[in-house]
Amino acid sequence: DTAVSQTPKYLVTQMGNDKSIKCEQNLGHDTMYWYKQDSKKFLKIMFSYNNKELIINETVPNRFSPKSPDKAHLNLHINSLELGDSAVYFCASSQGIQMWKTNYGYTFGSGTRLTVV
Amino acid sequence: GQQVMQIPQYQHVQEGEDFTTYCNSSTTLSNIQWYKQRPGGHPVFLIQLVKSGEVKKQKRLTFQFGEAKKNSSLHITATQTTDVGTYFCAGTNKTFGEGTQLTVNP
Repeated sequence: DTAVSQTPKYLVTQMGNDKSIKCEQNLGHDTMYWYKQDSKKFLKIMFSYNNKELIINETVPNRFSPKSPDKAHLNLHINSLELGDSAVYFCASSQGIQMWKTNYGYTFGSGTRLTVV
Repeated sequence: GQQVMQIPQYQHVQEGEDFTTYCNSSTTLSNIQWYKQRPGGHPVFLIQLVKSGEVKKQKRLTFQFGEAKKNSSLHITATQTTDVGTYFCAGTNKTFGEGTQLTVNP
C-alpha cells in the first residue's frame, strides 16, 4: 500500500543513453512533482504537474521530459544522459498547489538513485 | 525568485544536547514546512506553519514561524540517536532550503 512509488530504485547507465523513471501515487492527490537531490543533499524542483498539466518547469535541460498520462502518474524521461545527471531523483505528490490551505505537505517516493558512468 | 536559506549546513551534537536549525527567506512566506530525511531515505513531512508568530510542538521538537513570516526555526530538545538525518524547510513556491545534516554521537 505504498503511497508514492518510484521505479526503478537504482539505475546505472552509460553516458549518452536514454532512460525513464516512473512514478505512481495512490493518494488521490492532484499535483505531482519531480525533485533532484545532488550529492550535497540539495533538493531542487524540476517539474510540477497539476491534474496532468505542467505548471512548473524550472531551468532544466530539455533532455529531461516529464509526462503525466493521468493525475496518478508522472514519469520522467531523460535523453542523452550526462555524468552531471547522476543524483537521486524524487517523485512527490500533494493535494493542491496552495498547500497553506491544507495541513499536509508533500509525500515523497523513496527515490531513484541514478548513476551515469 | 524566492530564496530560502538554511543554517547551519552541518551540526554534530552529543546525545542529550539541544539542536536548532534556522530557515530564512528573502520574501514573506505564505507558509513554511519542515521535513526530515533519514540517511538513505526520503524526505518526510513533519509540520506546516502558516500564522505569523506560530509555535507548534511535536514531543521534543519545537517549530516557530517568525512574526514577519520570513524566518522559521526547528529546535530539538535533548537529541537522541534517532534524530539523525537532514532537516529541510520548504517555502511557498516549492523551494527547499539547503538542509541541515544532524549527526548525534551516542
